[in-house]
Formats: sequence, C-alpha cells, structure tokens
Amino acid sequence: EPEVTQTPSHQVTQMGQEVILRCVPISNHLYFYWYRQILGQKVEFLVSFYNNEISEKSEIFDDQFSVERPDGSNFTLKIRSTKLEDSAMYFCASTVGNTGELFFGEGSRLTVL
Amino acid sequence: GENVEQHPSTLSVQEGDSAVIKCTYSDSASNYFPWYKQELGKGPQLIIDIRSNVGEKKDQRIAVTLNKTAKHFSLHITETQPEDSAVYFCAASTDSWGKLQFGAGTQVVVTP
Repeated sequence: EPEVTQTPSHQVTQMGQEVILRCVPISNHLYFYWYRQILGQKVEFLVSFYNNEISEKSEIFDDQFSVERPDGSNFTLKIRSTKLEDSAMYFCASTVGNTGELFFGEGSRLTVL
Repeated sequence: GENVEQHPSTLSVQEGDSAVIKCTYSDSASNYFPWYKQELGKGPQLIIDIRSNVGEKKDQRIAVTLNKTAKHFSLHITETQPEDSAVYFCAASTDSWGKLQFGAGTQVVVTP
C-alpha cells in the first residue's frame, strides 16, 4: 500500500541551528501539507502546498519556516533557526485531490536543546 | 477560526463493549469531518469520514454521526477489541484543501 515516508524519524539539534525535515508523499498525490504536534497537544496545521507554491499557512508558519519541493518526489520543511518551542513531532501529509482525505507519514520528532 | 472540542480525553472500555467519542465544532461552514486513529509512534490514519450532506456513515464496527444543527459529530465503535486501543482524533474542515482543525484526542484503552 502506498505511504508517505518521512526522514529523519528523530532529530536532536541545538537552539539556533537549521533543520530540514524530509518527506516523500504518495507518488500520484498533488497536495502536500505539514502539521505538527507538540507533546500532549493537538495536531496543528502548518502549511499546504500545491503546484509548487504555498496555498495556505498558519500563524505558526512564520519567516523561520519554509517549504520546498526540490524535485519530483521530495517535499521538505526547513526551520532556519530553531527555538526550544519548535520541539514537536512534525507530520507530512498528502492527498491526491482537494478532497481533504489526508494520508499522514509517521512523523519526524524534533528535539531542540 | 474553527475550534474543535473533543470529549472524553480518556476512555476505558471492556472488550466487546461500545465506545463513543463526541466532538463539537464552532464554524457552521465546516463541511468535512474525518476521524483519525493514531497508534503509538505512528502518524494519524484516517478511519472514517463524513461530509455535511449526510447524517450517518458506517463501516463495519465503526460509525460516525453528524448533527449539523447542533454542530456536533460522534464516533461509535462497537464490539471493541484490544487492537482498537489508540488515540482517536476528530477533525473538521471548512474547505477541501486539507487544512484540518483537530480535536485534542481521546486515549481509548480496551481491556480484555
């Protein structure tokens, strides 16, 4: 069964460092998303991406965040200068059309020290 | 913006019994209501969803009901099994672009 894959599964970084989280969405999907889940809290929408541009972003997705689809398969989330409060599980998701039926990856846990 | 409230936060049931999780939403424009199951160390997985043009949907042991007037929707799991133990999230969306507003989650524990 096709699935969304994410790397790394866990990354530990020092505050102020840049982090890139990588995702390979399901191959025929066209819409891509990043969500995050701080430990014990709700899953929160960060950004949606379609046709090589951001469709929508939340208040959380400030100038420190960026997304990119550098080739035909990868979808990345970059955090330029990490803060302690960026520690969370980051989920990539994709969908074939704008139906809302999202398929999530297993997540990348980011720990900022 | 949309706000989704979910209750209870934890639910313990005996194997074979039914489990019910309830969610309310605030934005009357919401039209898509999925339920996700999240097992430990994994991402959320869609288990059932409902759109605003229907009031109930069933898939084997799970069912979802929607009351648009009251702005609440519920997940029903019948004949629970130990493998149903997980965190369940409801969500709502006001459009079709995959921007979901999640509830806080319900930890379901099914005891044999």
